[in-house]
Amino acid sequence: DQQVKQNSPSLSVQEGRISILNCDYTNSMFDYFLWYKKYPAEGPTFLISISSIKDKNEDGRFTVFLNKSAKHLSLHIVPSQPGDSAVYFCAALSSGSARQLTFGSGTQLTVLP
Amino acid sequence: NAGVTQTPKFRVLKTGQSMTLLCAQDMNHEYMYWYRQDPGMGLRLIHYSVGEGTTAKGEVPDGYNVSRLKKQNFLLGLESAAPSQTSVYFCASSGVTGEHFGDGTRLSIL
Repeated sequence: DQQVKQNSPSLSVQEGRISILNCDYTNSMFDYFLWYKKYPAEGPTFLISISSIKDKNEDGRFTVFLNKSAKHLSLHIVPSQPGDSAVYFCAALSSGSARQLTFGSGTQLTVLP
Repeated sequence: NAGVTQTPKFRVLKTGQSMTLLCAQDMNHEYMYWYRQDPGMGLRLIHYSVGEGTTAKGEVPDGYNVSRLKKQNFLLGLESAAPSQTSVYFCASSGVTGEHFGDGTRLSIL
């Protein structure tokens, strides 16, 4: 039973437009959420995170939104660039868990030039 | 500035063979992790360590053993490889700057 779900395996967006990647979770103990970006043949790299005490965190072109009542978070990329084409993983952890990350299955984002 | 280094990058084994995957980090991180990535399932935690000499089970520990004899190294062992262990294995370490992942080991069990 997946505790973190990314229901869209793939997403295609035109360059310059907004990319919205979604993630749902079921475990109420999760209190910190992260997004990772992964290129082929490389390990995941940290992109942006959000604590459960916030509902929005912004870093340049990347913004993460958290809706605790819906147990839903989303990553917005504006404007999207071809170099953003990668697999994006949503991950969650709970306090005191030795930072054991629970990952979603990932969404392949393709930004078309 | 190597970060997290995994050895080897690729390996093909026959069913029943054993091998050890090595993970080394140069960031003096206390926490280290081994994950496996399978199609459609994201990354799943196999084992982790919160410091030198400590290990603990993650979500999918069966068929694997680990050791953390030195702070900078975290070894993942397969005693008797099975086709179900065909996967891409990622090591990570965690510190104040967050999690850092290696580039993975692609392991095929025939």
